[in-house]
Amino acid sequence: DVKVTQSSRYLVKRTGEKVFLECVQDMDHENMFWYRQDPGLGLRLIYFSYDVKMKEKGDIPEGYSVSREKKERFSLILESASTNQTSMYLCASSSGQTIFSGNTIYFGEGSWLTVV
Amino acid sequence: DQQVKQNSPSLSVQEGRISILNCDYTNSMFDYFLWYKKYPAEGPTFLISISSIKDKNEDGRFTVFLNKSAKHLSLHIVPSQPGDSAVYFCAASDRGAAGNKLTFGGGTRVLVKP
Repeated sequence: DVKVTQSSRYLVKRTGEKVFLECVQDMDHENMFWYRQDPGLGLRLIYFSYDVKMKEKGDIPEGYSVSREKKERFSLILESASTNQTSMYLCASSSGQTIFSGNTIYFGEGSWLTVV
Repeated sequence: DQQVKQNSPSLSVQEGRISILNCDYTNSMFDYFLWYKKYPAEGPTFLISISSIKDKNEDGRFTVFLNKSAKHLSLHIVPSQPGDSAVYFCAASDRGAAGNKLTFGGGTRVLVKP
């Protein structure tokens, strides 16, 4: 059974703190993604990676960075958390070897981050 | 500027009736479209998809229609059931681009009343 695991489900951090959100997948997928979900705005892509040590900016990368040192792990980093980064963060992964379809992308359960 | 838009933030429907969810897109490079269902505090679950070479795809109670000329797609749920109450996201992808990233709409919250 495919799993995309986000290490923290609920976090509360203070403004200015450095925050790490970790995501691990067990399917040997090449592609990994970080999205944030906000009411009325849907899921917006922050960063994605299609290979180890490779990263591409998504639609809203400002205030975030990512790290992919190993194929199975993709970390989202908030260098200095701000209140407008309070959101639900979703990690996803997909294979780069198969023809992409809805059945080949897998989402984690999400991480709720509150910045106070 | 949102490339994928769901103009109805919410929809209420009686159990057994049809739910129709709409989605519009602007990027002509999108060639693959998906619908996801999401419950609170869970990740999105894939429902159904359609390639741009088709105009209809059906899977059980769910049917997706694509009108390429209008850049519009819709999801029909027939009959609607209380368990269908969730937020539904439309998503689009350019399968020729690296990474197979998805662009999502803002979501439509569906409430099915018993």
